[in-house]
Amino acid sequence: AQTVTQSQPEMSVQEAETVTLSCTYDTSESDYYLFWYKQPPSRQMILVIRQEAYKQQNATENRFSVNFQKAAKSFSLKISDSQLGDAAMYFCAYRSPNTGNQFYFGTGTSLTVIP
Amino acid sequence: KAGVTQTPRYLIKTRGQQVTLSCSPISGHRSVSWYQQTPGQGLQFLFEYFSETQRNKGNFPGRFSGRQFSNSRSEMNVSTLELGDSALYLCASSLTGKANYGYTFGSGTRLTVV
Repeated sequence: AQTVTQSQPEMSVQEAETVTLSCTYDTSESDYYLFWYKQPPSRQMILVIRQEAYKQQNATENRFSVNFQKAAKSFSLKISDSQLGDAAMYFCAYRSPNTGNQFYFGTGTSLTVIP
Repeated sequence: KAGVTQTPRYLIKTRGQQVTLSCSPISGHRSVSWYQQTPGQGLQFLFEYFSETQRNKGNFPGRFSGRQFSNSRSEMNVSTLELGDSALYLCASSLTGKANYGYTFGSGTRLTVV
């Protein structure tokens, strides 16, 4: 089975500062997709950003960007200009058409934003 | 447009009972997946349905079952509830269910077994 590891259970950042959340994964597949999801207290998982493994260019969505290191199997999320609304649990996830298309999630990182 | 709707939002059941949870996907979405979220095991895949057919199943006992109707609405059923079944159950829908397509999640059903 694929494994996704988030080694930081908790992180904190000052408002307006930048924070990086780490994620590593293990797979022997060449065709896969990586995601970062945010889960606020409302419980709904919200897609933050997505990266296709075949693309070398790192994905960017406004204040959110990733550092995708395919050889190292690393997929970190950088949040710039952190806002109070960014406070949530962040989950890294992996999917591949060769492993049933299901999500494999990491254990999550709880992000606190300090005013 | 309306998002993924899960009902009920909260549920308390007694050990040994059975429970049915409902998920209404985004209109037009044909794929529905279910996940169990617990503090100890994290997020685990239960099953996926596409056009009324179960396409994939996670590593859960047979007490966990599901189905999908012709309007793409899905239900999951847990029989003979155990204390360990207490969890947040999340449903997610997708247009095609392909790996590169995004899934939209609902807000989940919080099941407590006492």
